[in-house]
Amino acid sequence: KNEVEQSPQNLTAQEGEFITINCSYSVGISALHWLQQHPGGGIVSLFMLSSGKKKHGRLIATINIQEKHSSLHITASHPRDSAVYICAVITPGNQFYFGTGTSLTVIP
Amino acid sequence: DTGVSQNPRHKITKRGQNVTFRCDPISEHNRLYWYRQTLGQGPEFLTYFQNEAQLEKSRLLSDRFSAERPKGSFSTLEIQRTEQGDSAMYLCASSFPGLVYEQYFGPGTRLTVT
Repeated sequence: KNEVEQSPQNLTAQEGEFITINCSYSVGISALHWLQQHPGGGIVSLFMLSSGKKKHGRLIATINIQEKHSSLHITASHPRDSAVYICAVITPGNQFYFGTGTSLTVIP
Repeated sequence: DTGVSQNPRHKITKRGQNVTFRCDPISEHNRLYWYRQTLGQGPEFLTYFQNEAQLEKSRLLSDRFSAERPKGSFSTLEIQRTEQGDSAMYLCASSFPGLVYEQYFGPGTRLTVT
């Protein structure tokens, strides 16, 4: 069993739709990251969370520490949002765990 | 360009050869991380440094792998006696000290072992 599980694995949406990607983890964490990876491999850090909620443009990330769950929301999705979204956690003991990613395709 | 840079971007080598990759982090960042990513999978943590000190190593880092950051600036990752299973994207990231700071990733070095 992976320490970090993401769902769905693949997601196709129409442009403009509201998108939610979920991340559940089984270990205690000090922080959770949401990463975006475009074709070709480049990774961008979207958010780092240890509690609550963060918003950046059309992206919103929430985390529930008690439930060990985080969600990444994209409002008014656009084809340029098409990418793989990866959830990663860091434990207080400096262990790093990554989800396998959610591949998002937004169709015009 | 003040981002994280990695060289080379691509490396093709024959099984059994040694390879070395370089990562230049953002200059103000004390922390430097190495990850490995195989096709269709998320990144796997390999090791990280704070300044020149290697603070954590994954059990994935076998004896054939060694990483250094001799002056606390750039880092090198060496793989000795490469195996086909080493074929992957090797990613470097850097951040300010403290695990609560966001990491900035380099473009990666894609290794193909034939």
